[in-house]
Amino acid sequence: NAGVMQNPRHLVRRRGQEARLRCSPMKGHSHVYWYRQLPEEGLKFMVYLQKENIIDESGMPKERFSAEFPKEGPSILRIQQVVRGDSAAYFCASSGEAGNTIYFGEGSWLTVV
Amino acid sequence: DQQVKQNSPSLSVQEGRISILNCDYTNSMFDYFLWYKKYPAEGPTFLISISSIKDKNEDGRFTVFLNKSAKHLSLHIVPSQPGDSAVYFCAARAQNNDMRFGAGTRLTVKP
Repeated sequence: NAGVMQNPRHLVRRRGQEARLRCSPMKGHSHVYWYRQLPEEGLKFMVYLQKENIIDESGMPKERFSAEFPKEGPSILRIQQVVRGDSAAYFCASSGEAGNTIYFGEGSWLTVV
Repeated sequence: DQQVKQNSPSLSVQEGRISILNCDYTNSMFDYFLWYKKYPAEGPTFLISISSIKDKNEDGRFTVFLNKSAKHLSLHIVPSQPGDSAVYFCAARAQNNDMRFGAGTRLTVKP
């Protein structure tokens, strides 16, 4: 299965800890997107990256959140000093160079206690 | 930033009838539109798409209509089946590959 792989699927963090979510795009895909879904809400755009570049981070909170997509390895969404309001499902998606369709991973569920 | 809007949070239809899900967008730079289906605790799965140069695309029971002048698209499912019950997200993509989603519509198909 060469789909978009996210890990961990479930992550529990205490307030103030760091959360790292990883996303391996589909084979051959160089565009990665991160979305957040809060309980009972829709998919909110966070950031769009290509290899080694952040293209659009307009949906990312200015503090505590960062994302990267290095030349080698998965894309990482990092949340520092987590708070309860960060509890959500975080979805990664990828597309190819001429990507009209993006494909989603199964999501990572973050719970902050 | 509500560039893509799905104004109906929920829709309930009878099995065998038509389901019509609506979506509006504001950004004229969007040139490609997609519908995704999502079950609880799973990632969204791609359903059907349409380019801005077309006004209709059909795939089996699913048809997407695009009205560029009104900046409106809709997804028709006919006949609706209980297995279609899910949350449906409309998405719009700009030429720079940026993708935005609506808030979703929860479809319930009753047997």
